[in-house]
Amino acid sequence: EVKLVESGGGPVKPGGSLRLSCAASGFTFRSYSMNWVRQVPGKGLEWVSSISSSGSYIDYADSVKGRFTISRDNAKNSLYLQMNSLRAEDTAVYYCARHFMAVAGTPRPFDYWGQGTLVTVSS
Amino acid sequence: QSVLTQPPSVSGAPGQRVTISCTGSSSNVGATYDVHWYQYLPGTAPKLLIYANSNRPSGVPDRFSGSKSGTSASLAITGLQAEDEADYYCQSYDSSLSGSVFGGGTKVTVL
Repeated sequence: EVKLVESGGGPVKPGGSLRLSCAASGFTFRSYSMNWVRQVPGKGLEWVSSISSSGSYIDYADSVKGRFTISRDNAKNSLYLQMNSLRAEDTAVYYCARHFMAVAGTPRPFDYWGQGTLVTVSS
Repeated sequence: QSVLTQPPSVSGAPGQRVTISCTGSSSNVGATYDVHWYQYLPGTAPKLLIYANSNRPSGVPDRFSGSKSGTSASLAITGLQAEDEADYYCQSYDSSLSGSVFGGGTKVTVL
């Protein structure tokens, strides 16, 4: 069974930092590109960042570029999101999501998601 | 404001058919990019319903169907059931933004 479990969320002050983790199990993690997607409370979903299976290709939404860093450790089956210079508008539930690698189009859909971890940026 | 426009809400009685539109532009839906649909219940993991415009992952009932034409895509739910009450999001890619984009979401209410 595919499982994605996020952790590391919590309250943080504006300008602060937080590191999110996503523990993956039930599939060959090193074969899949992975993503972070967030949902601001009461608003829609927003793609945040993607990383290829090897970690060699990384992409970010403009809203987080230069502040967030995505990484992965294939030996530990884990995905990370380092968030620096946090702002109030970064308050959201952050989801770890797997790319549906059997689908070749653009964009690839997300076939499995975690339950999310809440990040609250407030003074 | 989302790049892809969805109606905020749609409703229908049990057994009825409802459709949700997802309207974009020539830099996303109107280009050669796929549209995917997700079902979301707050506090739970989003679920992939339709991928590549009209394909259902295994386990998704055939009551759910998707289509795409021009700069718009649609999700149809036939034989509406109480368990279908949820938020639905479309997703595509935008060449101007160089990234995935989502619609603002549509809340489906079963009357």
